[in-house]
Amino acid sequence: RKEVEQDPGPFNVPEGATVAFNCTYSNSASQSFFWYRQDCRKEPKLLMSVYSSGNEDGRFTAQLNRASQYISLLIRDSKLSDSATYLCVVNPASYDKVIFGPGTSLSVIP
Amino acid sequence: DGGITQSPKYLFRKEGQNVTLSCEQNLNHDAMYWYRQDPGQGLRLIYYSQIVNDFQKGDIAEGYSVSREKKESFPLTVTSAQKNPTAFYLCATQSYLSSYNEQFFGPGTRLTVL
Repeated sequence: RKEVEQDPGPFNVPEGATVAFNCTYSNSASQSFFWYRQDCRKEPKLLMSVYSSGNEDGRFTAQLNRASQYISLLIRDSKLSDSATYLCVVNPASYDKVIFGPGTSLSVIP
Repeated sequence: DGGITQSPKYLFRKEGQNVTLSCEQNLNHDAMYWYRQDPGQGLRLIYYSQIVNDFQKGDIAEGYSVSREKKESFPLTVTSAQKNPTAFYLCATQSYLSSYNEQFFGPGTRLTVL
């Protein structure tokens, strides 16, 4: 089993739709979790950290389920500008390298 | 202007040549990382350094070398031993003072072997 796995995608959704991405991780002792966004031919950028209680930032909601070892990202009211690849990232422990998932591609269609 | 700089943005190399990619940061972050990304693929870790004068191999270190003589700098050398070096190279930093230890990326260098 890979350390971090994501929905294979691609996701093609119309503007205004709600879309959810899932990510699973294998190390139950993992301590922190993130979602990054990567635009075509650009560097990944931090979208949001995922807190134990879940967190929301505008149209984006991240959830963590430690018991089932998965993280989700929900995007409401999708915009054309949301088209990108979304990377799930897990930090197994402090003072350790993070683990990147393979990414899920999203295309928002007019 | 704070952040992570990588240079050059585009680099062309002839087969058999070594080439060095620059990564500099003024964020005072402890750790620095080098990743490789091929078209349509995910990130693969080449090398990382958590402290000056120390570094660790990642998943695909063969054909690459690094140094960490200063906290601010972590150059990557792509040697002629790297069989297929054409790729997008990303440098990242990480602060251990942060509660969540998130990584931040430089803009990347696109290396093409002619």
